[in-house]
Amino acid sequence: SQQGEEDPQALSIQEGENATMNCSYKTSINNLQWYRQNSGRGLVHLILIRSNEREKHSGRLRVTLDTSKKSSSLLITASRAADTASYFCATLIQGAQKLVFGQGTRLTINP
Amino acid sequence: DTEVTQTPKHLVMGMTNKKSLKCEQHMGHRAMYWYKQKAKKPPELMFVYSYEKLSINESVPSRFSPECPNSSLLNLHLHALQPEDSALYLCASSQDAKNTGELFFGEGSRLTVL
Repeated sequence: SQQGEEDPQALSIQEGENATMNCSYKTSINNLQWYRQNSGRGLVHLILIRSNEREKHSGRLRVTLDTSKKSSSLLITASRAADTASYFCATLIQGAQKLVFGQGTRLTINP
Repeated sequence: DTEVTQTPKHLVMGMTNKKSLKCEQHMGHRAMYWYKQKAKKPPELMFVYSYEKLSINESVPSRFSPECPNSSLLNLHLHALQPEDSALYLCASSQDAKNTGELFFGEGSRLTVL
């Protein structure tokens, strides 16, 4: 089932610029997570934000969560070529023991 | 050791073959997962094992048969697959399944069914 919708589907920016990706979801959640996937590789966990948190930081990453709007955003500051990847939000639905992934945003950082 | 190891990395099989995908973790995690991912799509959950017992089966066809021999190992047995089953199969683990935190993913097994 499709829980998360990500926006935009693809984003291309210049190195050094900031990249913002958005995720919307439909049902109540326990937490929301962001993952990165380089082409054809496994997913790497970036950050987890709980339903009672509004903002979290990790290095160049900033995540916000608005449970009233059922949406989250991931900001990557001072982007680097190595940030080129697909980024997925994933929601842990309340009452379910499963993490459901959004459609993803393909981010390209141009040198 | 924060690795999830999957073998083989690549697998090509015919529709009548029987093969297995293997996954191993040594982080003491008690939940393990199989996800299927088609090109340019998100991972889709197939199975969840919690404390070595199957806790979620997302209506996966019986030609996919999971097995959890012990808390470190997870197998996916494949039989009579169809070409549309070609995909990247990802194994993941987490500390437990009840309050799922971070998932640790392997690099995946890329399966091609001829």
